[in-house]
Amino acid sequence: NAGVTQTPKFQVLKTGQSMTLQCAQDMNHEYMSWYRQDPGMGLRLIHYSVGAGITDQGEVPNGYNVSRSTTEDFPLRLLSAAPSQTSVYFCASSYSKGSIHSGEKLFFGSGTQLSVL
Amino acid sequence: QQQVKQSPQSLIVQKGGISIINCAYENTAFDYFPWYQQFPGKGPALLIAIRPDVSEKKEGRFTISFNKSAKQFSLHIMDSQPGDSATYFCAAYITWEYGNKLVFGAGTILRVKS
Repeated sequence: NAGVTQTPKFQVLKTGQSMTLQCAQDMNHEYMSWYRQDPGMGLRLIHYSVGAGITDQGEVPNGYNVSRSTTEDFPLRLLSAAPSQTSVYFCASSYSKGSIHSGEKLFFGSGTQLSVL
Repeated sequence: QQQVKQSPQSLIVQKGGISIINCAYENTAFDYFPWYQQFPGKGPALLIAIRPDVSEKKEGRFTISFNKSAKQFSLHIMDSQPGDSATYFCAAYITWEYGNKLVFGAGTILRVKS
């Protein structure tokens, strides 16, 4: 099993450019999510999905779009990149949102380091 | 009220020593407390977790201590090893009328010196 796969690993953008961060999981997980990790701020939830066709906002959704057309894929789109979006982005999945509460782990990808100049 | 406050921000411990990372919360609707460990260049991974009906949980050299009345919980790493050097995140799961979610602390960078 590959688990949660994120691409690319590194990306440099200019202010105003758009791009899509890819995330795929092969565990048939219902729940998928995107976090950003910034020094001193921990992991903050951007958007999440509880199944194909269903998405919702997290704590810091502004400037980002998501869609979930299949169970496996959950891409994150930056519409017009800003320097404040320089961060490390993690995709994470679990069987369901509620299963995390039952003790199931949240599986994280290895991250995308994004710099916006 | 949905925050989890984690300290210290960074920690240096000698090999064989005890590493202690503390977290605190305000909202009593938090009812599940996992710890995640992250090595450089990797995503976080679940290390150990506890529920508020238990005051302590131990898995190998890792122990969570939980103080429900003080709304605090901590991770103790006994006999710390250089391989334990990583970033540690406490987290808390809240289930309430506004939906359920996992909230992370700011993280602690642990370095174990050999």
